Parts: sequence; C-alpha cells; structure tokens
Amino acid sequence: AQSVTQLDSQVPVFEEAPVELRCNYSSSVSVYLFWYVQYPNQGLQLLLKYLSGSTLVESINGFEAEFNKSQTSFHLRKPSVHISDTAEYFCAVGSSNTGKLIFGQGTTLQVKP
Amino acid sequence: DVKVTQSSRYLVKRTGEKVFLECVQDMDHENMFWYRQDPGLGLRLIYFSYDVKMKEKGDIPEGYSVSREKKERFSLILESASTNQTSMYLCASSFGLAEQYFGPGTRLTVT
Repeated sequence: AQSVTQLDSQVPVFEEAPVELRCNYSSSVSVYLFWYVQYPNQGLQLLLKYLSGSTLVESINGFEAEFNKSQTSFHLRKPSVHISDTAEYFCAVGSSNTGKLIFGQGTTLQVKP
Repeated sequence: DVKVTQSSRYLVKRTGEKVFLECVQDMDHENMFWYRQDPGLGLRLIYFSYDVKMKEKGDIPEGYSVSREKKERFSLILESASTNQTSMYLCASSFGLAEQYFGPGTRLTVT
C-alpha cells in the first residue's frame, strides 16, 4: 500500500525568506510524485511533477523539488517566497500500475510581510 | 488547456435529500475521479472511473454512488444526504498515468 506524509500542517514564514515543505512517501512499486497548490476557494493546480529522469524538478514560479529514493522523500523548496505564495500545498504519489493518486494531508504556507 | 468544470460552486441541501454533483472535462480523458476534501485530512478518493460505464470504489465510497454514461461526464450522487457529508467535493480527470486536472470544487453544506 502507498502512503504520503506531509510533516508540517502549517509553515509560517516571512516574505523573501526560504522555505521547505516536507513530504515523505512509502510505496512498494515505482512511483510518480506530484506537488499541487490550492489557493483559497479554488481547485488544485499542478505545481510540479517527477515521473522519471532528473531527480530535481522545477516549476515556472521558482519552486523546486528533489526526488530522493533512498530517503523516500520529495521535499518542496523555494529560495525566496512572496506573499502570493500563501496557499495550501499537497504532495501526492501515484504508482506505475494505476492512475490513482494518494494525497498527503496538506501544508498551509503562510507568508507574512 | 484542460478544463474541468463542476456544476455548482456552492450547494446547500437538507438531510435526506438526493444530491447530484456533476463534472465535465473537455480533453477526452479516460480517467475521472471524485474526492472529498476536509481540513486536516487532505483529499480522499470516493470513486473513480477508467472508462464509460466503468466505476471503482475508492477509499470512502459509503453513502455515495457514481454514474458515467458519457466519456466527458462523471456524476457523484449522494443517495440520502447526511450532515457528515458536508464537505468540499473535487472532481479530477487524467489520461493514463499522467497528472490529474482538477475542477474548482463544490462546497456542499447539508443541514
């Protein structure tokens, strides 16, 4: 069975500071990994994904995540956050034999001025 | 761009009512999903469908049913709404093993 754990439910940070949102997963098969972002009163939007190849993946708005197979982690990082990054972030894992995703509990990123 | 639409953004229903939530996608995706989202619990899969007229239970199917008569449309049905079904409901679609695309969500309140 697969599972995803997001280690922090809330992460408060000041604007322009770096941030890391932690995600660990467990799976007995090859996985695909995703980070989604949800702004207030909206659905989820794909932020970035790891399917294969380079273990470091980047989004267009400055976020990056690194797939670490030995530590079964897929932490999300940004070197300098903006007020507009305030949102809830979800880590998800999918397996190579099904189209289903398992989501973590979510991490609320609160960027303060 | 993939577009997933849901029939209502906000819905208020009474206990015992039959509730229909509809989802439509415009990218010919074979897979469609229904989730509910509750604070601190993340997203939990209710039902999913790999093809027309096919459905499979997710993690929390009790109290729900689904219908997929056309490829682009996936309906979630609450046979007899209860207060513990008050939640945000999210629909998603995908092609194969690729990422899922989500609709804006329906916030359902059952009184």
